[in-house]
Amino acid sequence: DTAVSQTPKYLVTQMGNDKSIKCEQNLGHDTMYWYKQDSKKFLKIMFSYNNKELIINETVPNRFSPKSPDKAHLNLHINSLELGDSAVYFCASSQEDRKTYEQYFGPGTRLTVT
Amino acid sequence: DQQVKQNSPSLSVQEGRISILNCDYTNSMFDYFLWYKKYPAEGPTFLISISSIKDKNEDGRFTVFLNKSAKHLSLHIVPSQPGDSAVYFCAAGKQTGANNLFFGTGTRLTVIP
Repeated sequence: DTAVSQTPKYLVTQMGNDKSIKCEQNLGHDTMYWYKQDSKKFLKIMFSYNNKELIINETVPNRFSPKSPDKAHLNLHINSLELGDSAVYFCASSQEDRKTYEQYFGPGTRLTVT
Repeated sequence: DQQVKQNSPSLSVQEGRISILNCDYTNSMFDYFLWYKKYPAEGPTFLISISSIKDKNEDGRFTVFLNKSAKHLSLHIVPSQPGDSAVYFCAAGKQTGANNLFFGTGTRLTVIP
């Protein structure tokens, strides 16, 4: 069973469109994250979210918004897509209680904006 | 500002020899560190971690060393195997506050049979 899954794996769209990437984890974790890996392969946190708190990296444009229908899902919505949004987006999850610190990552979604 | 750095983008090692991957960080507030392995078209996979209260953690062929005074950590793989060929990311985090990880840019390890 896939622990953290993302759909779609590839997404090609035009500038100005609105798109969503879905993420689901079956690990029973309380906290989920979105990371962006840019063309320089730099993996950077965008959001962390649990049932208590959404923490947003201040460098993330407000065109990006996470939405969590339940604690097993954290979807990423992107409005008015721009060329610079092209990247690989990774979802991750972890335990909130911090007994361990590792995060478990999904396979990534490669977004290409044309 | 990149707080975790991996200055070697690539490393090639003969099978059976030791692979040493290096990582430096600038934020003294980091108190735990992790190594992730990544294959193409897959997400990063957790490999090994170390808390700042330790200077060494070992798991099978993988050992992580932490030098807090130098703000440096390294991952040793011995013996290296062809299946170890992947991109290795160093990551750091803080035990208080948000559990966000700060990643280096990765080192591509190639183990030559």
